[in-house]
Amino acid sequence: NAGVTQTPKFRVLKTGQSMTLLCAQDMNHEYMYWYRQDPGMGLRLIHYSVGEGTTAKGEVPDGYNVSRLKKQNFLLGLESAAPSQTSVYFCASSYRRTGLPTYEQYFGPGTRLTVT
Amino acid sequence: GIQVEQSPPDLILQEGANSTLRCNFSDSVNNLQWFHQNPWGQLINLFYIPSGTKQNGRLSATTVATERYSLLYISSSQTTDSGVYFCAVGNYGGATNKLIFGTGTLLAVQP
Repeated sequence: NAGVTQTPKFRVLKTGQSMTLLCAQDMNHEYMYWYRQDPGMGLRLIHYSVGEGTTAKGEVPDGYNVSRLKKQNFLLGLESAAPSQTSVYFCASSYRRTGLPTYEQYFGPGTRLTVT
Repeated sequence: GIQVEQSPPDLILQEGANSTLRCNFSDSVNNLQWFHQNPWGQLINLFYIPSGTKQNGRLSATTVATERYSLLYISSSQTTDSGVYFCAVGNYGGATNKLIFGTGTLLAVQP
């Protein structure tokens, strides 16, 4: 299994440009997430999805949109990039352990985005 | 929401030394994970440990959920252990699954 993969690995955007980050997982996980990590901080949840066709807002959703058209893919879109969105973006997926109410998350390698 | 505090914020060790990293959280949780972020930025799952004790090689972790803390032990540290160690917790009562991350412990192991 490749696990969780992210495309692209690096990107530089100018203010106002748009782009889409792709996350793919081959573990048949139901749940997928997008986080951002800023220098010296932990990860903060942007949006998440509990299944194909469903999405929900996390802690810091403003300026981002997401779509989950296929179970294995979760897309993060920036419609009009701003310098404040310069960050490292991580995608994660998780499954529900049999008989347990909780979920272990697995992370992708990250996408480093710079907005100038 | 749940607050997560990690200590110490920074730690410098000589190769071969042992260390203990602590994670305190402010409310009941039923999910707790420890991650290692290596110098290349990759997040590596270390432990899924909402309660109890687990060991994996030179690393072990203990979570005392009733007292709202978890400890990560690193024994005989190696330079490859350098990086940031994150604790992340969650409390899942429904279909959602949110992890709240601490700000991490930056570990530098010197040869």
